Amino acid sequence: QSLLTQPPSVSGAPGQTVTFSCTGTDSNIGAGYEVHWYQQLPGRAPKLLIFVNTLRPSGVPDRFSGSKSGTSASLAITGLQAEDEADYYCQSYDLSLRSVVFGGGTKLTVL
Amino acid sequence: EVQLEESGGGLGQPGGSLRLSCAASGFSFKTYAMAWVRQAAGRGLELVSSISGNGGDIHYADAVKGRFTISRDNSENTLHLQMKNLRAEDTAVYYCLKDRSDSSAFFDSWGQGIRVSVSS
Repeated sequence: QSLLTQPPSVSGAPGQTVTFSCTGTDSNIGAGYEVHWYQQLPGRAPKLLIFVNTLRPSGVPDRFSGSKSGTSASLAITGLQAEDEADYYCQSYDLSLRSVVFGGGTKLTVL
Repeated sequence: EVQLEESGGGLGQPGGSLRLSCAASGFSFKTYAMAWVRQAAGRGLELVSSISGNGGDIHYADAVKGRFTISRDNSENTLHLQMKNLRAEDTAVYYCLKDRSDSSAFFDSWGQGIRVSVSS
């Protein structure tokens, strides 16, 4: 069981806004460690989508945004597109484990 | 352009060994921490092991501690993962990752992944 909890699935229609939650604990997100998000398209390797809570690597559209508050973080996608259908993983660092930790991932279905 | 190319996967016997390699190019390899992450079929991501740029700081997941050894050859720009005493639960796609820096603890480049299957 992951130390970072993500809902297994989220869905939305094209053009809508969807959000993904990532709930941690006081030993990871709540301890001030940064949250990063990865997008894994079907059959592909994951790709960095958001880093240090809110920053986008070059090439990532501004439709993708991240936020962090307390022991949780969120990823939002606005103007949903069919090509956004993928698995989304959050990642942080856990002080107790002294290790990078990943959430279990959320599968996005574009209706 | 950063490129990470894994090799060495395939079928391994329970109790056997496999060695994964990752050839890196397009960046100053010795400057960056590297890692291996695995993903079992239909499952999420799991950090297997990480290593700092100079090889002095190494971390293993509890599930592989004592069985897997990570190493790097900065003269050859290559990352390795020696896997011994393989178990069925080691079956997964293994990804080679580049850290954003030597200690960022997040990963800005991923290899395409290589499949490891452990079965008799």
